[in-house]
Amino acid sequence: DAMVIQNPRYQVTQFGKPVTLSCSQTLNHNVMYWYQQKSSQAPKLLFHYYDKDFNNEADTPDNFQSRRPNTSFCFLDIRSPGLGDAAMYLCATSRDLQGSNEQYFGPGTRLTVT
Amino acid sequence: AQKVTQAQTEISVVEKEDVTLDCVYETRDTTYYLFWYKQPPSGELVFLIRRNSFDEQNEISGRYSWNFQKSTSSFNFTITASQVVDSAVYFCALSGDNFNKFYFGSGTKLNVKP
Repeated sequence: DAMVIQNPRYQVTQFGKPVTLSCSQTLNHNVMYWYQQKSSQAPKLLFHYYDKDFNNEADTPDNFQSRRPNTSFCFLDIRSPGLGDAAMYLCATSRDLQGSNEQYFGPGTRLTVT
Repeated sequence: AQKVTQAQTEISVVEKEDVTLDCVYETRDTTYYLFWYKQPPSGELVFLIRRNSFDEQNEISGRYSWNFQKSTSSFNFTITASQVVDSAVYFCALSGDNFNKFYFGSGTKLNVKP
């Protein structure tokens, strides 16, 4: 089945130690998104890629970076995680950028910062 | 500005009861799209429905039904004869026509007790 896969499902990192979360998709969608979701809150968009074109949300901290080496994979890099970065990180895809497209979400990676 | 309000933070019902989850939105776009997603404890957001602004026809899918009313800017979701497996957080989301950025409501946590 076509899907969005995130690895690992749970990640523990130390304060200030760089961490990378990965996402892959078999849907062949042009757009990939990264969201941060804290407990009991709505997902918050960090950035998205349309093909190789990267688009950062205005309020996304510089500590968060992303890479998309090919259509299938997208990575979220947190350069120096702080305690406030502990959250669920959700990857999503959509066929293109038209507002009518539903987004398909992966199961998320829960990040703990110690 | 785009905004989605889900006033009900948490709802508890007993199995087989009907329950309605409210969603009120604000937008200046003439063309827009509304979505409902389910987030079970496992974390993955599951797409339930999309409705575009030109289609006010209500929809029924099994035990699920949606009532879209432009006059009140509402897109409410009803589960008939609720089941324990319906326990999850439900998010309503809005996107404009030009860009597929989702504006999520804060979510409603539904607890269905046996």
